[in-house]
Amino acid sequence: AQSVTQLDSQVPVFEEAPVELRCNYSSSVSVYLFWYVQYPNQGLQLLLKYLSGSTLVESINGFEAEFNKSQTSFHLRKPSVHISDTAEYFCAVSEMKTSYDKVIFGPGTSLSVIP
Amino acid sequence: NAGVTQTPKFQVLKTGQSMTLQCAQDMNHEYMSWYRQDPGMGLRLIHYSVGAGITDQGEVPNGYNVSRSTTEDFPLRLLSAAPSQTSVYFCASSSGFEQFFGPGTRLTVL
Repeated sequence: AQSVTQLDSQVPVFEEAPVELRCNYSSSVSVYLFWYVQYPNQGLQLLLKYLSGSTLVESINGFEAEFNKSQTSFHLRKPSVHISDTAEYFCAVSEMKTSYDKVIFGPGTSLSVIP
Repeated sequence: NAGVTQTPKFQVLKTGQSMTLQCAQDMNHEYMSWYRQDPGMGLRLIHYSVGAGITDQGEVPNGYNVSRSTTEDFPLRLLSAAPSQTSVYFCASSSGFEQFFGPGTRLTVL
């Protein structure tokens, strides 16, 4: 069975500073990887995903994540954060062998951007 | 296109009461799922369905029942509510590799 670890439960960062949110996963088979974002009092939204191909994937709002198979990691980065990036971020994994979209989520990282 | 809708938004129950959380989607997705979100634990899968008439258990199914009579609806039933079921519940649907989440139901069991 797969699992997801997000070591940082809370990450405070000043506006316009860079940020990295860490994600490691465990699985006995190949996986798909995702980052979801949850703004206050809302449901989750897909931020970006890795399915295959280039190991570096980007979102439309400046986030990027790199799949590292040897380190089983999928860390999320942004070179300059904005106040509006304040949210909960969840890393998630889905095994390639499954025929349905069963997704396992990590515990989440709360990103707080300080003005 | 409403996406995924959930009702109610808030609910307070007494221990032992039963209730049904409603979930509906209008995207014709085959896969639907229920999660609960608790502080520091992320989202945990309760039950999921890969199509009408087919359901299966997730990580934390005890105390919950589901059924899927149509593609659109996937209700979650609490048979006898317990304080440990106080949580925020999210319904999601997907087709492919993106899950679409509803706005959530905040449930308190006294």
